[in-house]
Amino acid sequence: NAGVTQTPKFQVLKTGQSMTLQCAQDMNHEYMSWYRQDPGMGLRLIHYSVGAGITDQGEVPNGYNVSRSTTEDFPLRLLSAAPSQTSVYFCASSYGPGNMNTEAFFGQGTRLTVV
Amino acid sequence: EDKVVQSPLSLVVHEGDTVTLNCSYEVTNFRSLLWYKQEKKAPTFLFMLTSSGIEKKSGRLSSILDKKELFSILNITATQTGDSAIYLCAVGGSGTYKYIFGTGTRLKVLA
Repeated sequence: NAGVTQTPKFQVLKTGQSMTLQCAQDMNHEYMSWYRQDPGMGLRLIHYSVGAGITDQGEVPNGYNVSRSTTEDFPLRLLSAAPSQTSVYFCASSYGPGNMNTEAFFGQGTRLTVV
Repeated sequence: EDKVVQSPLSLVVHEGDTVTLNCSYEVTNFRSLLWYKQEKKAPTFLFMLTSSGIEKKSGRLSSILDKKELFSILNITATQTGDSAIYLCAVGGSGTYKYIFGTGTRLKVLA
């Protein structure tokens, strides 16, 4: 079972560069989300999606874009990387309407460093 | 504003000790509370709690929820070095799929 797959695992960017973090799930989950994890800050929600074509902002959306063209994929785009975006990024998915009380399944994370 | 607070922030114990981790929350229209264990990479699911007073158990780990006092505890008995991890608490509100995470408790178990 693949579950939630994130790529890449590690990435170094220069300030101002753009990139896309990929996330794919094969569990037919409707709800997908992106978090960043910083020391002492826990997991903070960046963007989330409740289904194909539907996305919304979380707690810390500035500097990030998302789209959800298919149920399986939920890429996160950094438009112009800044050192403040150095973090570990996690993608998560869970069931959608009719089954809200389920746990989120996490990808293995992407460690991003912006220099 | 919704928030989740975990305590202590970090904890160092010796193998065999029992630990209690705390999670308190203020969330509009509480739906569920989740506990995760995070070692080196992705958080892994431990428990989901939706009702007060019903203990969930898995081996040496157990958890209970108090919806009146707005908190949950995670107990680990007879700790082992493999229990060393960050333990995360997350709370979801009714009508939303979002979960709000606490900052986590970093547990270190010494041999």
